[in-house]
Amino acid sequence: DQQVKQNSPSLSVQEGRISILNCDYTNSMFDYFLWYKKYPAEGPTFLISISSIKDKNEDGRFTVFLNKSAKHLSLHIVPSQPGDSAVYFCAASMGSVGGAQKLVFGQGTRLTINP
Amino acid sequence: DTGVSQDPRHKITKRGQNVTFRCDPISEHNRLYWYRQTLGQGPEFLTYFQNEAQLEKSRLLSDRFSAERPKGSFSTLEIQRTEQGDSAMYLCASTGPLSSYNSPLHFGNGTRLTVT
Repeated sequence: DQQVKQNSPSLSVQEGRISILNCDYTNSMFDYFLWYKKYPAEGPTFLISISSIKDKNEDGRFTVFLNKSAKHLSLHIVPSQPGDSAVYFCAASMGSVGGAQKLVFGQGTRLTINP
Repeated sequence: DTGVSQDPRHKITKRGQNVTFRCDPISEHNRLYWYRQTLGQGPEFLTYFQNEAQLEKSRLLSDRFSAERPKGSFSTLEIQRTEQGDSAMYLCASTGPLSSYNSPLHFGNGTRLTVT
């Protein structure tokens, strides 16, 4: 069962415009959500996170929105730059006991920024 | 500190052979994780250690898989009697001490295993 889903395998955006990546989850016990970025031949790199007690978190060009009632989160990148071209993974975790980061990942969305 | 280091980067082996991968986490990190990623999928949790104790194993980790972290520093993941279905990217990640609740995972660049 896919508890975290990224339904768009790919997304193409013009440089300078906004990129919006979406993620849905099914498990209401998830209480912490993260976005990772992955370049070819490298491991995933942490980008931004949000706790379930918030509905928005912003870090520079990156903003994550969480809609708990819809079990949906999104990552906004504005303005998009060519270096943002990568695969983006949404991830979720639950059970804050000990802070164990047993993340459940989505399938990823390949973002391509066109000049 | 250059981050999480994994060795080797690539491993090609014949079905039935044993393989072992090594992970060196960020030095001050006490938690270490192994994930597996297959083509077109996100990483899947395999197991994690807090210091030298292996605290959780996924049901994905069959009896042919064993992970160790003998001194609470580096870790090894061994796969015995490899099968073609074991072909994947094996990712190691580490994160900070217990007091750093929800500190994000730092991943290595992975070991790509191909079983022929």
